[in-house]
Amino acid sequence: AQSVTQLDSHVSVSEGTPVLLRCNYSSSYSPSLFWYVQHPNKGLQLLLKYTSAATLVKGINGFEAEFKKSETSFHLTKPSAHMSDAAEYFCVVSSFSGGYNKLIFGAGTRLAVHP
Amino acid sequence: DVKVTQSSRYLVKRTGEKVFLECVQDMDHENMFWYRQDPGLGLRLIYFSYDVKMKEKGDIPEGYSVSREKKERFSLILESASTNQTSMYLCASSFLSGSNNEQFFGPGTRLTVL
Repeated sequence: AQSVTQLDSHVSVSEGTPVLLRCNYSSSYSPSLFWYVQHPNKGLQLLLKYTSAATLVKGINGFEAEFKKSETSFHLTKPSAHMSDAAEYFCVVSSFSGGYNKLIFGAGTRLAVHP
Repeated sequence: DVKVTQSSRYLVKRTGEKVFLECVQDMDHENMFWYRQDPGLGLRLIYFSYDVKMKEKGDIPEGYSVSREKKERFSLILESASTNQTSMYLCASSFLSGSNNEQFFGPGTRLTVL
């Protein structure tokens, strides 16, 4: 069965410093992986997705993630945090079950950015 | 722009009431999904649908039902609301059922059951 674990429930950074949000996955086959972001009182928005092409995936707003099969990780990074990055971030793995593809969400990491 | 809309942003109901949450998408997507979001639990799939009049149970279907009479509309029904169904409900849609297809989300309905 597929699963995903976000290693930090809260991360706090200063504006202008790097962001690292950690995610480990479990999958019995080559997975598709996603990062979604949810700003306060907004719906979820796709940041980036990995689909077995390049292992370094670039997304919107300067975010990127690297797929590391040996470490079963898909950590999200950004070189320099901006105040507008404050939000909740979800790591997601695609799961094939019962003949259908479904998304399995991590518990989320809340990112706070301080001036 | 893909648009997924939900009928209410905030809803307050009483225990035992029948509750309808409506979701509409405007991109002709075949697939539609209902999730609930609770702190520390992420999103959990309640029901999904891959075609009109077709529905499949997700991971937590108990206490819920769904209806999909038209391709663009997917309704979540709480037959008899209970306080443990107080939550944020998110609707999503996607074009194909492939593993790498993005789901597009609505803004959510925050339901409080008193």
